[in-house]
Amino acid sequence: GAGVSQSPRYKVAKRGQDVALRCDPISGHVSLFWYQQALGQGPEFLTYFQNEAQLDKSGLPSDRFFAERPEGSVSTLKIQRTQQEDSAVYLCASSPEGVINPQHFGDGTRLSIL
Amino acid sequence: GQQVMQIPQYQHVQEGEDFTTYCNSSTTLSNIQWYKQRPGGHPVFLIQLVKSGEVKKQKRLTFQFGEAKKNSSLHITATQTTDVGTYFCAGYALNFGKGTSLLVTP
Repeated sequence: GAGVSQSPRYKVAKRGQDVALRCDPISGHVSLFWYQQALGQGPEFLTYFQNEAQLDKSGLPSDRFFAERPEGSVSTLKIQRTQQEDSAVYLCASSPEGVINPQHFGDGTRLSIL
Repeated sequence: GQQVMQIPQYQHVQEGEDFTTYCNSSTTLSNIQWYKQRPGGHPVFLIQLVKSGEVKKQKRLTFQFGEAKKNSSLHITATQTTDVGTYFCAGYALNFGKGTSLLVTP
């Protein structure tokens, strides 16, 4: 595709529900990143994949957050037992390889927990 | 991680005035990237600086990397309304600053 695609664009869930957010990176991009962006703040790093390998998950705030990229392309960020503080925009970015290259961001998924 | 701090948090200028945002780190940065995020949009890559003392220009935008690789700046000459947005620096491409939001009044 032409750019990074994220779905859904908006997600509303009740507290306690599980949600899954999808990211389709630019074709051929080896690296994939997930960020959480609260209103008025900068993107906060969550996790980073190189192909299917999750090289860094130090930013995941709790064990309720889980990310995978099983075939080295599409990635899913799953949040279990959602809480109100999980409300934010979740951004996905991809790059040709590694953290040294510019990142191309998707439009994000705006998650609202009621 | 390589945490970066940005100042100012907000800046409101008249169209035609200059604007500068600063990015500071307590540790030496291997590289620094700058991104721009328009209201309601996603971050868009502007530039990457790698070398100590590096200066790069993109039309009215001038980016600098400090000699000690602990600070960086973005300077916009003669701002335009199209410059409105939030400018982020990112150390090692994973640690974003909180950004400087620029508002330009015609």
